[in-house]
Amino acid sequence: DVKVTQSSRYLVKRTGEKVFLECVQDMDHENMFWYRQDPGLGLRLIYFSYDVKMKEKGDIPEGYSVSREKKERFSLILESASTNQTSMYLCASSRGLFGQPQHFGDGTRLSIL
Amino acid sequence: GQQLNQSPQSMFIQEGEDVSMNCTSSSIFNTWLWYKQDPGEGPVLLIALYKAGELTSNGRLTAQFGITRKDSFLNISASIPSDVGIYFCAGQLSSGGSNYKLTFGKGTLLTVNP
Repeated sequence: DVKVTQSSRYLVKRTGEKVFLECVQDMDHENMFWYRQDPGLGLRLIYFSYDVKMKEKGDIPEGYSVSREKKERFSLILESASTNQTSMYLCASSRGLFGQPQHFGDGTRLSIL
Repeated sequence: GQQLNQSPQSMFIQEGEDVSMNCTSSSIFNTWLWYKQDPGEGPVLLIALYKAGELTSNGRLTAQFGITRKDSFLNISASIPSDVGIYFCAGQLSSGGSNYKLTFGKGTLLTVNP
């Protein structure tokens, strides 16, 4: 079974802090994704990576950056956290980019105070 | 952009009943996925569909890829309390470029009364 592990289930940070969310997958998948999930808005893609050190902006990249130094690990960075970034963050991975399902981690519920 | 309409938004049923939900797209998709999300957890893949007309089962769950490629259906037979959760559909165009992105439905919240 595919295992996508997010480092924290719950996180509370303060406005202006730099926040790191970590994600690790154990299936040697090429592609990794970061989404945020908000009530009424569904899942929205923040960034995705198709290889080590390669990244592409998703639909809502503003205020975020990412890092992929190793194939199995994909980090989401909130450069200067703001209250509107309070959300559920979901990491996913997939073997191929097309015609392959994405497998999700358990999510990190992030609160910015 | 592509839009996915998922219905119903919520369902409240008795244990043992069958359930049906569907997703309709404004665009053609080449892949349909169905996920379930329990409260406080991430979505878990239930069924993946890759061919128009395809009917695939996973235990009590059956999903179909519509012939028009613009819709998909998920049925749950003989529901049990652990079926409670939010069910999402997702579609992918799969024809290159930025079409790798999944388009997600807003979800169907299922409540099962024991």
